[in-house]
Amino acid sequence: SQKIEQNSEALNIQEGKTATLTCNYTNYSPAYLQWYRQDPGRGPVFLLLIRENEKEKRKERLKVTFDTTLKQSLFHITASQPADSATYLCARLRGGGNKLTFGTGTQLKVEL
Amino acid sequence: GAVVSQHPSRVICKSGTSVKIECRSLDFQATTMFWYRQFPKQSLMLMATSNEGSKATYEQGVEKDKFLINHASLTLSTLTVTSAHPEDSSFYICSVPGRRVGTEAFFGQGTRLTVV
Repeated sequence: SQKIEQNSEALNIQEGKTATLTCNYTNYSPAYLQWYRQDPGRGPVFLLLIRENEKEKRKERLKVTFDTTLKQSLFHITASQPADSATYLCARLRGGGNKLTFGTGTQLKVEL
Repeated sequence: GAVVSQHPSRVICKSGTSVKIECRSLDFQATTMFWYRQFPKQSLMLMATSNEGSKATYEQGVEKDKFLINHASLTLSTLTVTSAHPEDSSFYICSVPGRRVGTEAFFGQGTRLTVV
């Protein structure tokens, strides 16, 4: 079965530093990987999507990479701020249609 | 993108009763919506696909008679948890998929269900 694995341990970093979150997948490479942000008691909010044939994608302070050799995607937040504190979810398409398989998410805490 | 509204955001019910959760796509006609469940510290798990005009399709292990889904229109899907038990307490989230395969999904705010 296709799995998505994220580091379940919380990541604590200082404000201004770069946060790097890891997403590993099994079996064949998905055509797309998506990253979402989830705040406590809220639904996920889409951040970035990266396609299999893209190495890197950027949006403001966010950057996502996709390494099909390592079967891994990295999610970076540069110049992190306390407001970036949340759980970040990685997701891949599964089967037909737009069904998503999510990782467990990594909780990020940015401290002053 | 689509704006998805889910109601209620929180509900507490007694064991044995039924609870209905609504998911509305406010600005986008959705022939398909998805229902997820999320337990504390765990991932979102897909429960079922809600299909407008036809029966919902359920993931393996999800009881269709317990989790009734009705996709009444292109903008409304409802999930009814029947004969709720404490183990059904969870965070239920609906989503509207992107217009094309692989594009972003849009999620409701989620419903925290507590069965006492």
